[in-house]
Amino acid sequence: SQTIHQWPATLVQPVGSPLSLECTVEGTSNPNLYWYRQAAGRGLQLLFYSVGIGQISSEVPQNLSASRPQDRQFILSSKKLLLSDSGFYLCAWSPGARGYTFGSGTRLTVV
Amino acid sequence: QQQVKQSPQSLIVQKGGIPIINCAYENTAFDYFPWYQQFPGKGPALLIAIRPDVSEKKEGRFTISFNKSAKQFSLHIMDSQPGDSATYFCAASMHSNTGKLIFGQGTTLQVKP
Repeated sequence: SQTIHQWPATLVQPVGSPLSLECTVEGTSNPNLYWYRQAAGRGLQLLFYSVGIGQISSEVPQNLSASRPQDRQFILSSKKLLLSDSGFYLCAWSPGARGYTFGSGTRLTVV
Repeated sequence: QQQVKQSPQSLIVQKGGIPIINCAYENTAFDYFPWYQQFPGKGPALLIAIRPDVSEKKEGRFTISFNKSAKQFSLHIMDSQPGDSATYFCAASMHSNTGKLIFGQGTTLQVKP
């Protein structure tokens, strides 16, 4: 069966520090991968998606970047965090055209 | 045209009541409409999904009603329980290799005992 792992679960980082969040999927190959941010409140904002190794599409301009160095690995990064980067970050995967499975999320607090 | 509009923003019902959450879309190319349930501090989980060639789908106490001509769909929770208290998101996607889902703004449901 397929599983998605996301870590860390919580993170407190000072303003200006770098960020690296990792997401891996097991039990499948060539998944579509997605990074979402959920700010205080409820909305899900799509940040990046990838349909293959090295293929990254950005949905919104921001202080973040994403990379997919391996088929089932998706990394969200920042060189210098801003206060506005605080939020709940969710990774998700899909087999192609239908159906997301989300990870358990990372709660990022920038102080 | 890529938006999915969801209402209400929040909803409070008594145990046993039938909360209804509504969503509307504009893009007729959308052909897959899932609902997700999210508990605090957790990632959203797929609850139920429907395609536009079906007007209604039931899974347990959860029912999706779909009105293709009105470009609207809704989630009904029968015999709601306090354990159903969560945030619910509708979403839509079109057939493409990206599989991107467009989410509604979410509805926070509270079911009182």
